[in-house]
Amino acid sequence: AQSVTQLDSHVSVSEGTPVLLRCNYSSSYSPSLFWYVQHPNKGLQLLLKYTSAATLVKGINGFEAEFKKSETSFHLTKPSAHMSDAAEYFCVVSDDYGQNFVFGPGTRLSVLP
Amino acid sequence: DTGVSQDPRHKITKRGQNVTFRCDPISEHNRLYWYRQTLGQGPEFLTYFQNEAQLEKSRLLSDRFSAERPKGSFSTLEIQRTEQGDSAMYLCASSLLQAITQYFGPGTRLTVL
Repeated sequence: AQSVTQLDSHVSVSEGTPVLLRCNYSSSYSPSLFWYVQHPNKGLQLLLKYTSAATLVKGINGFEAEFKKSETSFHLTKPSAHMSDAAEYFCVVSDDYGQNFVFGPGTRLSVLP
Repeated sequence: DTGVSQDPRHKITKRGQNVTFRCDPISEHNRLYWYRQTLGQGPEFLTYFQNEAQLEKSRLLSDRFSAERPKGSFSTLEIQRTEQGDSAMYLCASSLLQAITQYFGPGTRLTVL
């Protein structure tokens, strides 16, 4: 069985400061991991994915995430937050076949001017 | 850009009525998924198709729910005798058979009065 924990339900940062959204996963096999973003009234957009290649993954809009097997973590970071980054972020764990997507509960990111 | 589309975007219905939602996946994608997302939660898997075959159903999918993908292209999700607890966002996603990344549509928001 797979599960995802997003340690913070809400993160608030000031514009121009770093962003850290935390994700821990549980999986009985080598997982694939994803971060999706959901803006209000918009669909889920893929930010980045890890599929057993490089452990540091770069995504769109300056986001990146590092897979740490020993810590079962896949935290999302960005060096400098923009107002447009305010949204809901979901960490997702999947099996190798992509059939079993398990979403975390989400972290709402607020960016203050 | 022909991404995943869903229709309608919003549906308001009275308890006990039947509703049907449509999803059009990205044209060459073999797999199609349905998820339900309630307020403040991450999406939860409902069911998925590989071409026209429905391969997996979640226990969340009660006997009032039925999904079809008759020609391996678009899919419909029907809810019979709707209940207030069915109020949620219903998301559709699609992927290629040999890829694990899922691409999401904008969702259909159902409100049951």
